[in-house]
Amino acid sequence: AQSVTQLGSHVSVSEGALVLLRCNYSSSVPPYLFWYVQYPNQGLQLLLKYTSAATLVKGINGFEAEFKKSETSFHLTKPSAHMSDAAEYFCAVSERGGSYIPTFGRGTSLIVHP
Amino acid sequence: DAGVIQSPRHEVTEMGQEVTLRCKPISGHDYLFWYRQTMMQGLELLVYFNNKAVMDDSGMPKDRFSAKMPNASFSTLKIQPSEPRDSAVYFCASSPDRSSYNEQFFGPGTRLTVL
Repeated sequence: AQSVTQLGSHVSVSEGALVLLRCNYSSSVPPYLFWYVQYPNQGLQLLLKYTSAATLVKGINGFEAEFKKSETSFHLTKPSAHMSDAAEYFCAVSERGGSYIPTFGRGTSLIVHP
Repeated sequence: DAGVIQSPRHEVTEMGQEVTLRCKPISGHDYLFWYRQTMMQGLELLVYFNNKAVMDDSGMPKDRFSAKMPNASFSTLKIQPSEPRDSAVYFCASSPDRSSYNEQFFGPGTRLTVL
């Protein structure tokens, strides 16, 4: 069975500060991992995904995430937050060879202060 | 290239009324998903289709919800009768094939308010 835990329903940072959104997963087989972003009044869109190539994955808008098998984590980072990064972020896991239906986390709301 | 299209974007109705939400997936995508998003429950998968056939509807309240996909380019989610607890944002998403590394492409959502 697969599951995702996103630590912190809200994360608040100042503009220009480091962004760190945490995601831990549980999977009985090697997983595929995703980060989606949801801007206000919009649907989710893919930010980046891990599919077993490089463990450090770069996405759009300067975001990146690192797959750490030993920690079962896939945390999302960005060196310098911008006001436009304010959104809801969802981590998702999908098991290879199993159900291709991803399991989504509860989401983390990123608040960026000027 | 058009993404997933949903209509209406907003729906306000009274308890007991029938509500129909519509979705047009991305052309060529074999999988279509209906999700419900609320503050309390987060993102919930209600039902999904593969090549127009229902694959799993275990997340959908069967007594009042029904989902159909009459052709590859159109799906509906119907609620009858609607209740205030159905108030949520409903998303439709599509995906190319059954590979689990595939992302899902989401529509803009329908915000449903049941008074």
